[in-house]
Amino acid sequence: EAGVTQFPSHSVIEKGQTVTLRCDPISGHDNLYWYRRVMGKEIKFLLHFVKESKQDESGMPNNRFLAERTGGTYSTLKVQPAELEDSGVYFCASSLVGQGGTEAFFGQGTRLTVV
Amino acid sequence: DAKTTQPNSMESNEEEPVHLPCNHSTISGTDYIHWYRQLPSQGPEYVIHGLTSNVNNRMASLAIAEDRKSSTLILHRATLRDAAVYYCILRGPDRGSTLGRLYFGRGTQLTVWP
Repeated sequence: EAGVTQFPSHSVIEKGQTVTLRCDPISGHDNLYWYRRVMGKEIKFLLHFVKESKQDESGMPNNRFLAERTGGTYSTLKVQPAELEDSGVYFCASSLVGQGGTEAFFGQGTRLTVV
Repeated sequence: DAKTTQPNSMESNEEEPVHLPCNHSTISGTDYIHWYRQLPSQGPEYVIHGLTSNVNNRMASLAIAEDRKSSTLILHRATLRDAAVYYCILRGPDRGSTLGRLYFGRGTQLTVWP
């Protein structure tokens, strides 16, 4: 069974440009989460989808970030326009819906560098 | 955010057991105790989780205190591949304020010496 897949693995863009990160969760996982680690900081929650619905986007830094989950399958996270402080590693995770006792599977992450 | 406290770092020799402690004195009745680890340049990886009883799987064992205010992740025989940052995380249900998300602290950096 394929795990959580993220594209691209690395992205280097200039300040002001747009970047779109993609996450393909494990098939059948209704929960999809985005997390981010900025250099030297802890991994922080960004947002949570259940199927195609955004359940919680309280962790999104600002309105330059837009996440979508088309048809409850893959998800994209777009940053427009990118700023220097957006650099970091973006992780996607998926899990079954449960009572907190379900395992979350993480992708390898997308390393975003804004120059 | 549900809080956990872990030592910043620990060391072990290869093939020796490792006990990684975690304090979570504010745990609620519905919180599961999860452990994840992150190897260099990889995404976090699930290790084990439990609610009240001790748990064993192929990777590790989880010992949970009777009052659930602390737990210990046990690696029975550390290998070089176990060198990673280990995160102790309280995970609530997929409903309500926490919605099942994970709160990562700084974790414990485990160094394994050959």
